Amino acid sequence: SQQGEEDPQALSIQEGENATMNCSYKTSINNLQWYRQNSGRGLVHLILIRSNEREKHSGRLRVTLDTSKKSSSLLITASRAADTASYFCAPYSSINTGNQFYFGTGTSLTVIP
Amino acid sequence: DGGITQSPKYLFRKEGQNVTLSCEQNLNHDAMYWYRQDPGQGLRLIYYSQIVNDFQKGDIAEGYSVSREKKESFPLTVTSAQKNPTAFYLCASSIGDRGRDEQFFGPGTRLTVL
Repeated sequence: SQQGEEDPQALSIQEGENATMNCSYKTSINNLQWYRQNSGRGLVHLILIRSNEREKHSGRLRVTLDTSKKSSSLLITASRAADTASYFCAPYSSINTGNQFYFGTGTSLTVIP
Repeated sequence: DGGITQSPKYLFRKEGQNVTLSCEQNLNHDAMYWYRQDPGQGLRLIYYSQIVNDFQKGDIAEGYSVSREKKESFPLTVTSAQKNPTAFYLCASSIGDRGRDEQFFGPGTRLTVL
């Protein structure tokens, strides 16, 4: 399946530091989305990057996409305690996923105040 | 949580009983989905619906059933045939094709089988 695989599984940093999470996938994609999930809550969409884009910004978030390496990264700058959450990537391919949408197991980020 | 409501927040069920989880959205979205989340396993797709009166199985549909009689509503029934139903259930919706558009998630229902 076209499941995203996030790395690392867990990340712990001090408030104010930057956090980088990576996502790898197996086949060509149309787009890739990143979501955040606070403990015991639903997922919240963060950003969508299309296959013809290399970088996208949204506030303190920066997402990059390297289709040649089949990977994406999510950078959170100047992290805050409120950024503590799990982060999921979801690569999408209209051809290879049978029109389905697969989430990985996520990166658990802890920001220490 | 973006105009999607799920109820109840917590649900307890005895073994052998069917139970229905509610999902309602007021976003006028065509597509709706049900996911199951277990610790350390991410989200797995149970069922999805792209239009009223139509739905398709996801990866783990066995032991579950759905209906889509109204655009706003997509209830999920966990039947007694589901061997390990204790999990966190998430409902989501999107404007159209699930991959092209962002998904909006409800707050989830935590089901525990006693």
